Amino acid sequence: GQNIDQPTEMTATEGAIVQINCTYQTSGFNGLFWYQQHAGEAPTFLSYNVLDGLEEKGRFSSFLSRSKGYSYLLLKELQMKDSASYLCAVRDLEYSGAGSYQLTFGKGTKLSVIP
Amino acid sequence: DSGVTQTPKHLITATGQRVTLRCSPRSGDLSVYWYQQSLDQGLQFLIQYYNGEERAKGNILERFSAQQFPDLHSELNLSSLELGDSALYFCASSVVRSGANVLTFGAGSRLTVL
Repeated sequence: GQNIDQPTEMTATEGAIVQINCTYQTSGFNGLFWYQQHAGEAPTFLSYNVLDGLEEKGRFSSFLSRSKGYSYLLLKELQMKDSASYLCAVRDLEYSGAGSYQLTFGKGTKLSVIP
Repeated sequence: DSGVTQTPKHLITATGQRVTLRCSPRSGDLSVYWYQQSLDQGLQFLIQYYNGEERAKGNILERFSAQQFPDLHSELNLSSLELGDSALYFCASSVVRSGANVLTFGAGSRLTVL
């Protein structure tokens, strides 16, 4: 089984930097994903980490420490449109053959960007 | 546009009723994943099909069932509906991005049970 923990809500100012943390406990690990979800819409993929370290993609970066069961998503130069929920998700190591793939999601962090 | 198509977008029904949600994965994708998202539970994995066969099962109730047809579209059947079944139901298929298989979601079907 897996347990994923992330803060429920965060507020940050436009133009600032915000870090959203995620901790996980899992019986197996095969990658960590971050998704963005605007209210009432589908989650959209932001980043993927499977090895320790930082992955940078424009204004968004994601960090992973497998030994600590810890990841964070870093958002720079915040814009109003970044107000959304950010979902941390873990892929289990165990899967039953080709084509089997499932993610376990945390409950998400609702980020509010204020002027 | 994710390429994953879900219908209907919205559905309002009464307790005890049965509904069917439909999903067409991206062209060429063999897998379909169903997730439920309610306000207090977050995204919960229900079931996965691959090329017509059930591949993995999550927290899916016995009142719920799914299947994937030869043309690869999938249907999620929800029966004996309860108020607590009100949620967003997402379908997803997997694509390769950033060197990994990434779930890409449809726009969802919002079910309201009154």
